[in-house]
Amino acid sequence: QKEVEQDPGPLSVPEGAIVSLNCTYSNSAFQYFMWYRQYSRKGPELLMYTYSSGNKEDGRFTAQVDKSSKYISLFIRDSQPSDSATYLCAIPLTGANNLFFGTGTRLTVIP
Amino acid sequence: GAVVSQHPSWVICKSGTSVKIECRSLDFQATTMFWYRQFPKQSLMLMATSNEGSKATYEQGVEKDKFLINHASLTLSTLTVTSAHPEDSSFYICSARGSPGQNNSPLHFGNGTRLTVT
Repeated sequence: QKEVEQDPGPLSVPEGAIVSLNCTYSNSAFQYFMWYRQYSRKGPELLMYTYSSGNKEDGRFTAQVDKSSKYISLFIRDSQPSDSATYLCAIPLTGANNLFFGTGTRLTVIP
Repeated sequence: GAVVSQHPSWVICKSGTSVKIECRSLDFQATTMFWYRQFPKQSLMLMATSNEGSKATYEQGVEKDKFLINHASLTLSTLTVTSAHPEDSSFYICSARGSPGQNNSPLHFGNGTRLTVT
């Protein structure tokens, strides 16, 4: 089983829709969770960074962690065409420098 | 926020030649930088961890003699793809931790270098 699993999509939604992106992870010891957004031919940029369970909101973006289910989500409200990108979840490996990345979900928001 | 600059953004080279990619931390010191490779429609795969003043640590399956890493200062790491072949064509991305020593802190990424070997 992979450390982090993510549905690769692709996912297409109309402008204004609520988008839900999800990842599951295998190790219950993971405590920190990140979401990155990657535009085509660009490096990933940090979108959200959360610790432990619960919700964190930043503008139209909400990151949710459910440690009991080992499930993390990113919600995008009022989606815009500029949100079209690949979204990657990432989790730091305990005791190491590396991040485990999901495969990324490619999102297209249609005007 | 922490800014990581990568250069060049794209390069085309002939098979058998070497290519150097630079990664700089612009507003912070990075004792450790990371080099990733990303194939189309795939996620990032860690190639190696670059440590300032010491040898890089390579992931399993990554040839250290082919992908030379030098981290000579706290703000610069370089990746040299030696004797490049078409199968080395990929998107190479470097990253650094904005909070050195805090292994749970996020990584900040450069904008990547698209290498095409003809």
